[in-house]
Formats: sequence, structure tokens, C-alpha cells
Amino acid sequence: DAKTTQPTSMDCAEGRAANLPCNHSTISGNEYVYWYRQIHSQGPQYIIHGLKNNETNEMASLIITEDRKSSTLILPHATLRDTAVYYCIVRVGSGGGADGLTFGKGTHLIIQP
Amino acid sequence: KAGVTQTPRYLIKTRGQQVTLSCSPISGHRSVSWYQQTPGQGLQFLFEYFSETQRNKGNFPGRFSGRQFSNSRSEMNVSTLELGDSALYLCASSLIRDARPLNTQYFGPGTRLTVL
Repeated sequence: DAKTTQPTSMDCAEGRAANLPCNHSTISGNEYVYWYRQIHSQGPQYIIHGLKNNETNEMASLIITEDRKSSTLILPHATLRDTAVYYCIVRVGSGGGADGLTFGKGTHLIIQP
Repeated sequence: KAGVTQTPRYLIKTRGQQVTLSCSPISGHRSVSWYQQTPGQGLQFLFEYFSETQRNKGNFPGRFSGRQFSNSRSEMNVSTLELGDSALYLCASSLIRDARPLNTQYFGPGTRLTVL
């Protein structure tokens, strides 16, 4: 799997858009960018994933650069409940190996009231 | 549709005992993966099952084992518990496509195991 780099922590004001960056310069052509988040003491939650095109769902938007070497997860109107650790994972769409999903350190997003 | 359920939610055991944790995947999901989360090591993959067969295994000792039943429910067992096995154990389920589990995984709330 391609290695990802994320900032350790970020702050965002409640009601504003939270933009979480992720670098994945060694991504392969068949690898997707997945985003998960983990609210304290809960199981990780799938947010969104994409291959090349930008994606949007009810939770967030995913912007992937044209060269696919980086991406940004956007929470359009952050609330206090969005405070969590956000993980960017690069992986093929299905199967893919003996190590499951590889969660790094992620970004601790803190939404400030 | 109900999410992934795990039982029990909390468990306290003593060293040397064994423990069995249970996971019921989302209806229709046939792949189940297990992870261990500790403050020091983060989230680590234990193993993955689908069609009642272990397909992949992480780097854990043989004291950690699992199985999957025909209804896709899964159990994991840890024998001869050690203090270091205290952790949050997470189960995740996913759909199968072309005989491979999708990497869009849905996690349960976890079982918090404390070993005294």
C-alpha cells in the first residue's frame, strides 16, 4: 500500500469548513483513497473514498489532485461531533493483501465552539 | 439496516484465562475482519474471514485465533491472556465483489478487554 502523510492535528471553528489534507505521492494507478474517522472510544467510521474524480456524499467531499499525489477531505459545516481522528488510507478497491486496512496516526481534528 | 454488533462490550479477565469475543456483521456482508487497538500500537489487523475461511492474518501470535460461521458471524479467541492483550478489539464487515472483500469496511463499537 502507498504510504500517506497527514498533519498530526488541526483545529477548526464550528460551522466552518474543515479541510483535511493527505499526501500519497507513491499511490499506484489502481489504488483508491479512503477516509475513515474514529470518534473517541468508538469504532472507526467509513466516510468516503475515490479513485480519480472528486466525490461527495452526505458526510463529506473528497478532492483528489489531478496527479493523484494528494487529496483533501472537506467537512462542509463542521460541528462539535466531528471532533475525531481522521485517517487517510490508500488501498486497492478490494482484497489486496495480508494486512487489512493500515491505519496510521491520522489527523486529530478538534472543532472549537 | 442494523450495523455491526459486537458482544460483550466490556470484559475483565485475569492473566492466563482465555476469552471469546463475538461479532455479527451487517446483513449481507460476508467478510469479517478483526483489529486490535492499543494506545501504543494503534489499530492493528488481526485476521480476515470470508466464506468461513481465514483469508489473511496479521502479525499476532497463535494465541489469537478466530472462526466464521455459515451465517457470516465470527468469533475470535485469545488464549492464555497476557497483560498486554488489554485493548479494544474491533470487528469490521464488508461486502464481497468478484470473490474479494471490498475495502469499504464498517466497524462495530468494539469490545474493551481488560486483563488484570
